[in-house]
Amino acid sequence: KAGVTQTPRYLIKTRGQQVTLSCSPISGHRSVSWYQQTPGQGLQFLFEYFSETQRNKGNFPGRFSGRQFSNSRSEMNVSTLELGDSALYLCASSPRPSGANVLTFGAGSRLTVL
Amino acid sequence: AQSVTQLDSHVSVSEGTPVLLRCNYSSSYSPSLFWYVQHPNKGLQLLLKYTSAATLVKGINGFEAEFKKSETSFHLTKPSAHMSDAAEYFCVVKTGANNLFFGTGTRLTVIP
Repeated sequence: KAGVTQTPRYLIKTRGQQVTLSCSPISGHRSVSWYQQTPGQGLQFLFEYFSETQRNKGNFPGRFSGRQFSNSRSEMNVSTLELGDSALYLCASSPRPSGANVLTFGAGSRLTVL
Repeated sequence: AQSVTQLDSHVSVSEGTPVLLRCNYSSSYSPSLFWYVQHPNKGLQLLLKYTSAATLVKGINGFEAEFKKSETSFHLTKPSAHMSDAAEYFCVVKTGANNLFFGTGTRLTVIP
């Protein structure tokens, strides 16, 4: 079966713009988590959605937001982009909330902010 | 408080020699522990997991890890490195509250 699909894979934005990233989980998985990966900070948890509800949120400013649709696909949005938002954004899915199951990761969306 | 420490940011081994990637954790609860691998421009792939069953856990691609409660360690090993093992490896701890904490990663280089 298809894995976790993230789009776009690469994108370049300028400061002040906003960006929307998409994640399609494995069929049947209802939990989607988002992570930011940077060389300096490593992997940091952004938020988790399960059945269209945000279950958990990491320590990120309100510029970072997300949502989940009824088909379990999820989007995350970053507004008013800053240079420090340049990162690989990883999405992971699991059948139930992430703590209960092993996560399956997508290949990520690499965002560069100029 | 929960955390995970990967003791080496970079490990370099020759092909065919053993691999040891070190991970220490701290957890107020009985933790679940995972090792993930990330190849360049790819997402993370699960290598193995410990969930309070056998302390020696066997994973994919010949990797294994041993949970040592007395040492709060969960080191990843492989008897013989292969070129395809070159990647970044992450140790992850899951707490009783079902939160995941990732280590900072260890980059493994395999020298031909």
